Amino acid sequence: QSVVTQPPSVSGTPGQRVTISCSGSSSNIGSHYVYWYQQLPGTAPKLLIYRNDQRPSGVPDRFSGSKSGTSASLAISGLRSEDEADYYCAPWEDSLSGYVFGTGTKVTVL
Amino acid sequence: QVQLQQSGPGLVKPSQTLSLTCAISGDSVSSNSAAWSWVRQSPSRGLEWLGRTYYRSKWYSNYAVSVKSRITINPDASKNQFSLQLKSVTPEDTAVYYCAGETSAHTGLGVWGQGTTVTVSS
Repeated sequence: QSVVTQPPSVSGTPGQRVTISCSGSSSNIGSHYVYWYQQLPGTAPKLLIYRNDQRPSGVPDRFSGSKSGTSASLAISGLRSEDEADYYCAPWEDSLSGYVFGTGTKVTVL
Repeated sequence: QVQLQQSGPGLVKPSQTLSLTCAISGDSVSSNSAAWSWVRQSPSRGLEWLGRTYYRSKWYSNYAVSVKSRITINPDASKNQFSLQLKSVTPEDTAVYYCAGETSAHTGLGVWGQGTTVTVSS
């Protein structure tokens, strides 16, 4: 299993703000950038956040990332039905010499 | 706009070699700022980064420890594509395989192929 852990699921009502945590260690989050990906059912992952808190062009500012020590978070404000998806954090991991994906979090909009 | 198009078989027999190709449009496999990766996804293993190749005056590759003894990722500059070879596959290698690109340093895997479902079965 992954060395980077996320809660299996979070849920919220439309318009709410939800946060997804990503917990790692000094060999991954603690010393490298964190990236966040959104995966809609049946599609490839899509980059949401890079370098901890930067949004690629086209990603709504409802999505924001942060990092502190060996943990990171993704916040979704103004939750919308189209935000229902799986979300993954992915820092570089020194011991694996590569990216490590978190365990993933399913966001449900109630 | 960078796009990646994957090709390759969806069924591989146990002990054989899995081979997939990813054709790049809108960027170059030989770009001095990009890196080109393979990622797979299965219910049992989740998302797993397998390795990447990149050009910085010469070619480099680095691979995930979990597959390092069995994997090769090769660039093909003449066709502007890169490939994945995974040897000695077992049913545990059954997964959806994606190619993905990071077009400048530390910008994340911002472009993805469409995914190829590969089943390892006799």
